[in-house]
Amino acid sequence: SQQGEEDPQALSIQEGENATMNCSYKTSINNLQWYRQNSGRGLVHLILIRSNEREKHSGRLRVTLDTSKKSSSLLITASRAADTASYFCAPVLRGGGADGLTFGKGTHLIIQP
Amino acid sequence: KAGVTQTPRYLIKTRGQQVTLSCSPISGHRSVSWYQQTPGQGLQFLFEYFSETQRNKGNFPGRFSGRQFSNSRSEMNVSTLELGDSALYLCASSLLQGDYGYTFGSGTRLTVV
Repeated sequence: SQQGEEDPQALSIQEGENATMNCSYKTSINNLQWYRQNSGRGLVHLILIRSNEREKHSGRLRVTLDTSKKSSSLLITASRAADTASYFCAPVLRGGGADGLTFGKGTHLIIQP
Repeated sequence: KAGVTQTPRYLIKTRGQQVTLSCSPISGHRSVSWYQQTPGQGLQFLFEYFSETQRNKGNFPGRFSGRQFSNSRSEMNVSTLELGDSALYLCASSLLQGDYGYTFGSGTRLTVV
């Protein structure tokens, strides 16, 4: 199965700043998904980017995908206190992801007021 | 539309007992997967069901089992509970395996004493 590795493991920034986190993976993918988890709760799907896409936007989120480097990045602009959470990437294998989603340790983002 | 519903939200069981957790996916979603989350191991994939068939299983002992019904509702069962089974168990549903984002439930917090 495919597992993404998020970097950095932890990130602390001031409210209003931008936050960037990265994801690396090892094999060819069908798509890559980003999720957010607030403390002790279920994951929330943020964005899905397909292997033939290079960039995708959703509100204050911007995701890029570089399949040649097997990496993705998630940018959160104009951060807010409510963005404090753990962020996970989940690469889905080519073929539809029969292995389910596999997650790394995540990036723990703290937004300081 | 209603989200993914997991019941119960909290559960306390004694070592050696068995437990059944329930998950109702979003209407129309046929893929249901289960995850275990612990502070030490993070998010780990348990298994995924699609149209009542288990499509893949993570690296868990046979004490962990599941099933999916014709209405896509799913249950997972853990027999002979161990202290290490204490975790947040998350269920997620999707239209198709891996090709769309997954919607997660709020989870069942299982404590084994």
